[in-house]
Amino acid sequence: DAKTTQPPSMDCAEGRAANLPCNHSTISGNEYVYWYRQIHSQGPQYIIHGLKNNETNEMASLIITEDRKSSTLILPHATLRDTAVYYCIVRSKEGAQKLVFGQGTRLTINP
Amino acid sequence: GAVVSQHPSWVICKSGTSVKIECRSLDFQATTMFWYRQFPKQSLMLMATSNEGSKATYEQGVEKDKFLINHASLTLSTLTVTSAHPEDSSFYICSARGQQMNSPLHFGNGTRLTVT
Repeated sequence: DAKTTQPPSMDCAEGRAANLPCNHSTISGNEYVYWYRQIHSQGPQYIIHGLKNNETNEMASLIITEDRKSSTLILPHATLRDTAVYYCIVRSKEGAQKLVFGQGTRLTINP
Repeated sequence: GAVVSQHPSWVICKSGTSVKIECRSLDFQATTMFWYRQFPKQSLMLMATSNEGSKATYEQGVEKDKFLINHASLTLSTLTVTSAHPEDSSFYICSARGQQMNSPLHFGNGTRLTVT
């Protein structure tokens, strides 16, 4: 599975949109982009995933560039409870089903 | 949505004893489950892939005789840490995929193991 690169940490003000970037320049055509987050001492929580079209759900929006080499997770109105480590992972639909985690981005929402 | 339950949420054991951790998919069947380990301030590290009815597949560097995995049914996988030592103290997390091919993995809430 392709490797991803994320900034190690980010800060965002409460109520603002949090935009978390992810670089996956070696992504291949059959690989999806998944986003998870992990709040301290809990298991990772699924947020959203996409292939090439932008996606939106009740938690977040996922914007994938046209060349699919990068993506951005958007939390439209960040709250203090969104403070967590956010992981961007690419995974093939076929074959290996496992998720390999990188270091993620530690997002801190400030009051 | 898909729910994965892990038990116990924390356990303290003495060095040399064995500890069993259970992972259940509550509202779906999971032919494959995954076990991860996470040390403080580090990311999750995949330990093994648990396959229902067959042997688990271990990642490089993970001792299969120390971390016994059993996936006897479509809703239950267990991880047994045998002859635990203080260096095995960690946060163990399981995950399972929904039945559709493109379903995301869902994770349990983890088990914090402390070996004294």
